[in-house]
This record gives sequence, C-alpha cells and structure tokens, in this order.
Amino acid sequence: SYVLTQPPSVSVAPGQTARITCGGKNIGGKSVAWYQQQKPGQAPVLVVYEDSERPSGIPERFSGSNSENTATLIISRVEAGDEADYFCHVWDSNTDGNVFGPGTKVTVL
Amino acid sequence: QVQLVQSESELKKPGASVKVSCKASGYSFSSYAMNWVRQAPGQGLEWMGRINTNTGNTRYAQGFTGRFVFSLETSVTTAYLQISSLKSEDTAVYYCARDFAMVSDFWGQGTLVTVSS
Repeated sequence: SYVLTQPPSVSVAPGQTARITCGGKNIGGKSVAWYQQQKPGQAPVLVVYEDSERPSGIPERFSGSNSENTATLIISRVEAGDEADYFCHVWDSNTDGNVFGPGTKVTVL
Repeated sequence: QVQLVQSESELKKPGASVKVSCKASGYSFSSYAMNWVRQAPGQGLEWMGRINTNTGNTRYAQGFTGRFVFSLETSVTTAYLQISSLKSEDTAVYYCARDFAMVSDFWGQGTLVTVSS
C-alpha cells in the first residue's frame, strides 16, 4: 500500500512561514490534499486540495505545491490560530484507497 | 450550508455492537459518497472506507472488513457505521466525511466510541 511520510513537528515564529512536507513515491503524479485539525477529537478541516487549491473560506496564507517525491503545505504569515496538526492525504488509484500521512504538529513559538 | 451531524458518544462493553449515525443536510445526499475515518487516542487519521450514497456500494479499507458495516437510510439522508464484536482497540473517534472527488471536504463532528468493561 502507498505510504506517506511527514515530519512529526514543525516550529515557527508568528509572522514567519511554515513549510510542512509530505513524502511519497512519485507523489508528484498524485493529487494531494491537506487537513488541519486544531485538537485531537475535533473535526479536521480541508485547507488545500488538488495540490494547491483552497476551499472557500480558507485564507490565502495557505498554499501548496507538489513535485516528484514531495508535496508541501506552506503557511505564510503564521498566526497563533494556525497551531494545529496537519495531515496530508492522497487517493491511491492502485488500491482505490484513501491514504493519510501520520501528521505534523505545528507549534507557533 | 453543508452539515454532517453525528450521534452522541457511546460507552460499550467488549463484545457488544454500536451504530453511529451521520445525518447530512444542505446538499444532495445521493450525489456524494460518504467516507468513514477513525482516529484512535493520540493517533492520526485512518480511512475506513466509503459508501456510494447513490448505489449503496461499499469499499472497505484493509483492516476494516468483517466487523464494520456501512449503510444508508436515504429517506432521512443518513449514513451509518455499525461495529460488531467490539474490542478495546476499537476505542476511537469516528468521523463521517463527504467525499468530493476522493477528498473529504466536509466532516461530521466525530463520535467517540469507548469500549470498556
């Protein structure tokens, strides 16, 4: 089955840029989505889909890229409210299965 | 607006069954599949599978066959997750999420199922 990797944690100062990576074999050929979960047990929120598209209501500060073996969620001008767990996600066409990365905890210093 | 409202938390004994409901509103229920996602305590998100709300066809992820059943009651725009022969390791928050092109775009608030004797 397809495997995604993420760093366990990323720390960033307010106003700076956070970059959260998601690794996977040839992930550049897949469509990547990103979810924000403020606290465990709270409903995740879709913040990026199709690598770099933002759903309605998501600030422009959230963007994404995807190439070769790494996809990246970029949070610009980080705010305290961005502190959360972030999960990447792909659909694996080989198994017709959805795959989540293990998650990255973003801490705002 | 799109809303998915799930049933309340459940406390069950090992070996019992539980049925979690997910009431959808604000969109055409049969036009979008429904995903189910599990989050065990302190763990990440795990996709359990999905149900086609138009045909009722189901797709279960590895590890979620046999004791896990997805079903629908389209007349009340509700999806269900039933888990039988509960084990302590089934303790988790279970989410329903609307499927939009293989992405979960709207999520229910989650239902905590606790399995304990």
